[in-house]
Amino acid sequence: TQLLEQSPQFLSIQEGENLTVYCNSSSVFSSLQWYRQEPGEGPVLLVTVVTGGEVKKLKRLTFQFGDARKDSSLHITAAQPGDTGLYLCAGARTGNQFYFGTGTSLTVIP
Amino acid sequence: NAGVTQTPKFQVLKTGQSMTLQCAQDMNHEYMSWYRQDPGMGLRLIHYSVGAGITDQGEVPNGYNVSRSTTEDFPLRLLSAAPSQTSVYFCASRNTGGHGYTFGSGTRLTVV
Repeated sequence: TQLLEQSPQFLSIQEGENLTVYCNSSSVFSSLQWYRQEPGEGPVLLVTVVTGGEVKKLKRLTFQFGDARKDSSLHITAAQPGDTGLYLCAGARTGNQFYFGTGTSLTVIP
Repeated sequence: NAGVTQTPKFQVLKTGQSMTLQCAQDMNHEYMSWYRQDPGMGLRLIHYSVGAGITDQGEVPNGYNVSRSTTEDFPLRLLSAAPSQTSVYFCASRNTGGHGYTFGSGTRLTVV
């Protein structure tokens, strides 16, 4: 059983559309991270959120940490082909363990 | 800075063979981890280390050994390869208390 569930698992959209990816758990995390991974490469950190209710923006990407620190969302505005990739969330619990979600594979069609 | 360097990039093993996946980082990070990535399962933690001489097990440690003799290096050893160990392996490092991992580019391992 995965500690962090992401939805949807796959997403294919047209360039210019908006989308939201969800990362959900029944556990509380001290912080949550979002990564993007391209084929043949390792994940690259996009953002870390720490405080419940926190919202961070990175250009067209908006990240939100749930008030109870159990879930997070990633919203992309006006998606571009360069946004194509695998999006992973990762939650930190007490100690040194980070738990990764199952991933959302995004394809943006030109 | 090279970041996290993993070798080899690709490897094919026969069942029962042993091998070592190499990982080195040049950022003086205390914390290093090994993950395996399988379709639909995300990244699962195999072993991790919080500093030289200290290692611990993650979620899926069976069939793997690690050691951390220096801050820079964290090799992963497969003792007797099995087809179930076919996967993409990632090494990652971060500062203790730091929020983000730096990942290597991965090793794609196939066991036949």
